[in-house]
Amino acid sequence: GQSLEQPSEVTAVEGAIVQINCTYQTSGFYGLSWYQQHDGGAPTFLSYNALDGLEETGRFSSFLSRSDSYGYLLLQELQMKDSASYFCAVKTSGSARQLTFGSGTQLTVLP
Amino acid sequence: DVKVTQSSRYLVKRTGEKVFLECVQDMDHENMFWYRQDPGLGLRLIYFSYDVKMKEKGDIPEGYSVSREKKERFSLILESASTNQTSMYLCASSLLQMNTEAFFGQGTRLTVV
Repeated sequence: GQSLEQPSEVTAVEGAIVQINCTYQTSGFYGLSWYQQHDGGAPTFLSYNALDGLEETGRFSSFLSRSDSYGYLLLQELQMKDSASYFCAVKTSGSARQLTFGSGTQLTVLP
Repeated sequence: DVKVTQSSRYLVKRTGEKVFLECVQDMDHENMFWYRQDPGLGLRLIYFSYDVKMKEKGDIPEGYSVSREKKERFSLILESASTNQTSMYLCASSLLQMNTEAFFGQGTRLTVV
């Protein structure tokens, strides 16, 4: 099976930088995704890493180290609207292409 | 815009009832998924499907079954609803390729009384 670990809560102030870590154990690993979910809303896609290194999309960046089974989401210039839950998710290869999520990190951005 | 539509936003059912949750996507996606979301547990995969009539068990399939008769529709069935199946149920779809995002429906809040 697959398992992912991420912190349950993170708090930061507006304008700061925050990093949300994710470690995973899985067979047939193909890539690591990040999703954002606001209260009462559906999860929405933020980023995807299949190769080692950093992917940058505006204020958000995502990093992957396949050898360490580790990734992180970096949020810069935090805004109040970034308060949400953030989930890492692994994709596995093969005919059974499963998408498995972690338990989520609740980010609270303070003024 | 990609749209994943779940048939009900809120549902209340009695213990022992057979419950159908429907999900339809309009982007010709091969993959479809059913998750349940509970506080502190994140999204747990129940079942997924990568083709019509194909299904794979996820991490928590017990007490559930699924049906995919058409590419755009993926149904989750609770054979005999129990109170521990009270939860938020989320449907998602994606293309078969690995580097594509999953799109989620708005969820069905199911309460079993």
